[in-house]
Amino acid sequence: EDQVTQSPEALRLQEGESSSLNCSYTVSGLRGLFWYRQDPGKGPEFLFTLYSAGEEKEKERLKATLTKKESFLHITAPKPEDSATYLCAVRGGSGGYQKVTFGTGTKLQVIP
Amino acid sequence: GAVVSQHPSRVICKSGTSVKIECRSLDFQATTMFWYRQFPKQSLMLMATSNEGSKATYEQGVEKDKFLINHASLTLSTLTVTSAHPEDSSFYICSAREQGTTGELFFGEGSRLTVL
Repeated sequence: EDQVTQSPEALRLQEGESSSLNCSYTVSGLRGLFWYRQDPGKGPEFLFTLYSAGEEKEKERLKATLTKKESFLHITAPKPEDSATYLCAVRGGSGGYQKVTFGTGTKLQVIP
Repeated sequence: GAVVSQHPSRVICKSGTSVKIECRSLDFQATTMFWYRQFPKQSLMLMATSNEGSKATYEQGVEKDKFLINHASLTLSTLTVTSAHPEDSSFYICSAREQGTTGELFFGEGSRLTVL
């Protein structure tokens, strides 16, 4: 069974203090690793898709990287508006049924 | 990115009544939509996969007769919680994958169901 573990569970940063969120995964046949941002009471907002080890993607202050066992979401000089829960998910399997499995998320709080 | 709209965002109902939640893909066609349930501080749990024009595929442990799913068109899926009970209170989120793309799921805004 596919598994996704995110750490830390919660992270508190000062504005401008860069850090990384971790997503460790085990999956049968990775078809994609996804990062989402979720604000309280809202549905997840898509950020990135990574498909193969070594791949990197950037968007504003966020950069996602991927290895064969984990992914990191690097946040550079975060701002208070970056406060949210960040979810990692993997899509695995073969054939017609490819299930997406989510981690429990990292709740990020950026303090002014 | 693609836009998925979910309605209602909040609903409060009495125990024993049924509630319908709609999920629409606004600017793309989705042959497949997914319904998730999320408890506080927990991960999104896939309930079922909704297939346009055919029966939904339910995950193990999800009652088909309680959570009725209909995917009548390429842009609309509905989830009906039948005979709702307080333990059905949760945050329900739908998602869709754009037809012909490789994987990203786009999510609706979620529906907070409270059963009294």
